[in-house]
Amino acid sequence: EPEVTQTPSHQVTQMGQEVILRCVPISNHLYFYWYRQILGQKVEFLVSFYNNEISEKSEIFDDQFSVERPDGSNFTLKIRSTKLEDSAMYFCASSPITGGDQMAFFGQGTRLTVV
Amino acid sequence: DQQVKQNSPSLSVQEGRISILNCDYTNSMFDYFLWYKKYPAEGPTFLISISSIKDKNEDGRFTVFLNKSAKHLSLHIVPSQPGDSAVYFCAARGYYNYGQNFVFGPGTRLSVLP
Repeated sequence: EPEVTQTPSHQVTQMGQEVILRCVPISNHLYFYWYRQILGQKVEFLVSFYNNEISEKSEIFDDQFSVERPDGSNFTLKIRSTKLEDSAMYFCASSPITGGDQMAFFGQGTRLTVV
Repeated sequence: DQQVKQNSPSLSVQEGRISILNCDYTNSMFDYFLWYKKYPAEGPTFLISISSIKDKNEDGRFTVFLNKSAKHLSLHIVPSQPGDSAVYFCAARGYYNYGQNFVFGPGTRLSVLP
């Protein structure tokens, strides 16, 4: 069964450093998302991406964040200068364009720990 | 401003009995709803969905009911099994908002006791 894959599974970084979280969405999907879940809190939307551009972003997704689809398969989330409060599980998701019934398929997540 | 609410943070049910997880929403523009299940250290997994043109959708042991006038939906699991123990998230979005985000509730942790 096709799946969304994320690497690494766990990333530890020092405050102020840049991190890149990587995702390989399901191959025939056209919409891509990043969500995050801070420990003990709900899953929060960060950004959606379609046709090589951001289609929507939340207020969490400030200038420190950027997304890229550098080739036909990868979808990355970059945090330029990490803060302690960026520590969270980051989930990538993708969905096909099949009318309104779009569920998102999620990857297993990358646990980001900022120290 | 919580647009999607799951007021029970946890629920314990005996194996074989019915589990009922509830979800309320405030945004009347939402008309497509999904339930995701999440095990520890894994991403959310899609379980079942319902659009506003229906009031019930069934898939095996899982049934979702939608009451649009009350802005309420519920997930029924019958019979509950120990493997159903997980966190269940209700999520919502506008039906024709292609590429738009899903809004998640805070989740309900279901424990099915053997």
